[in-house]
Amino acid sequence: DAGITQSPRHKVTETGTPVTLRCHQTENHRYMYWYRQDPGHGLRLIHYSYGVKDTDKGEVSDGYSVSRSKTEDFLLTLESATSSQTSVYFCAISEVGSTSWNYGYTFGSGTRLTVV
Amino acid sequence: ILNVEQSPQSLHVQEGDSTNFTCSFPSSNFYALHWYRWETAKSPEALFVMTLNGDEKKKGRISATLNTKEGYSYLYIKGSQPEDSATYLCAFIAGGGADGLTFGKGTHLIIQP
Repeated sequence: DAGITQSPRHKVTETGTPVTLRCHQTENHRYMYWYRQDPGHGLRLIHYSYGVKDTDKGEVSDGYSVSRSKTEDFLLTLESATSSQTSVYFCAISEVGSTSWNYGYTFGSGTRLTVV
Repeated sequence: ILNVEQSPQSLHVQEGDSTNFTCSFPSSNFYALHWYRWETAKSPEALFVMTLNGDEKKKGRISATLNTKEGYSYLYIKGSQPEDSATYLCAFIAGGGADGLTFGKGTHLIIQP
């Protein structure tokens, strides 16, 4: 979707290296979410943010940290990547009263991360 | 951890037939139930957000119903077409609505010509 972009789209990294994924939105939405998608598990929530500097853990937060220093950017960091973190990562945005609140979240195009 | 179950896991349907599948979710602390359509190599695309018990929503040949008291929702597709082939996800949100969606694992629908 035009209002939300993820970068990079693809990344291969080595075990033990730090990795940061970026989610950028131009909708001025307060709520931003990071999900991972794995076969047999569907989409699982990693972390979410409800405003600048306000974040909370989701279902599968171990090994991940996030930061939100600006409304438009939500960063997901793997401090020391492991092979179990090989996945497709999706960012989503929402805002109370917005189209995404009433009609469903808006998702980014995803980042495919491979840890070797 | 909230439990959202979808069935069946996968489904093969002949073109032109109608079909339906189920999402079950916790019946307490309900805020909303979302349905998404997810095509391979794309992002999930919202179909419906349902908030009231007894809600029925429709978009073209696709419709959904909601029962919050017993914790289930049905998605119906009438007259299936090949372009309906996708994974259909339901997702539950509790509390005040800001804590993020909990997704089911999806129903993978394949329409056979």
